[in-house]
Amino acid sequence: DAKTTQPPSMDCAEGRAANLPCNHSTISGNEYVYWYRQIHSQGPQYIIHGLKNNETNEMASLIITEDRKSSTLILPHATLRDTAVYYCIGYRNSGNTPLVFGKGTRLSVIA
Amino acid sequence: GAVVSQHPSRVICKSGTSVKIECRSLDFQATTMFWYRQFPKQSLMLMATSNEGSKATYEQGVEKDKFLINHASLTLSTLTVTSAHPEDSSFYICSAREPRLAGGQNEQFFGPGTRLTVL
Repeated sequence: DAKTTQPPSMDCAEGRAANLPCNHSTISGNEYVYWYRQIHSQGPQYIIHGLKNNETNEMASLIITEDRKSSTLILPHATLRDTAVYYCIGYRNSGNTPLVFGKGTRLSVIA
Repeated sequence: GAVVSQHPSRVICKSGTSVKIECRSLDFQATTMFWYRQFPKQSLMLMATSNEGSKATYEQGVEKDKFLINHASLTLSTLTVTSAHPEDSSFYICSAREPRLAGGQNEQFFGPGTRLTVL
């Protein structure tokens, strides 16, 4: 699975958009970009994933560059409950492959 | 989405005792479950892959005789920490793979975690 690089921490004002970057320059053609988050002392929660196209769901939007070497997770209107560690993972969804977590980005939403 | 539960959510035990943690897929059958461990301020570390009806596959550096994994049914995997010591204190998280969602879908669902404290 592709190695990903994320900033260790970010702050965001409540109500503003949170843009979390991720570099995955070694991602292969059949690897998806998955985003999970982990709120303190809870299990990881799935947010969104994509392959080539930009994706949007009720939680977030995922913007993937055309060369697929980086992506940005966008939380359109961050709330205090979005404070968490966000993990970007390159994942080839086949067989019994586990998700491998990097260090992620600790997002602090500030009132 | 699919739901994964863990029991107990929190356990405190004395050094030298064994502790069993259960991971259940509540509304789907999981032939594969994964066990992770997370120390404070660190990321999740994969410990082992649990396969129903066969032996678990352990990651390098994880002692299989200390962390016993049993995946006896399609909805239950257990992790037993044997002869626990204070350094085993950690947050243990399982995930279950929903095979019907395989192929570009989110197919892994995580439990809420179990906080183990060994005194």
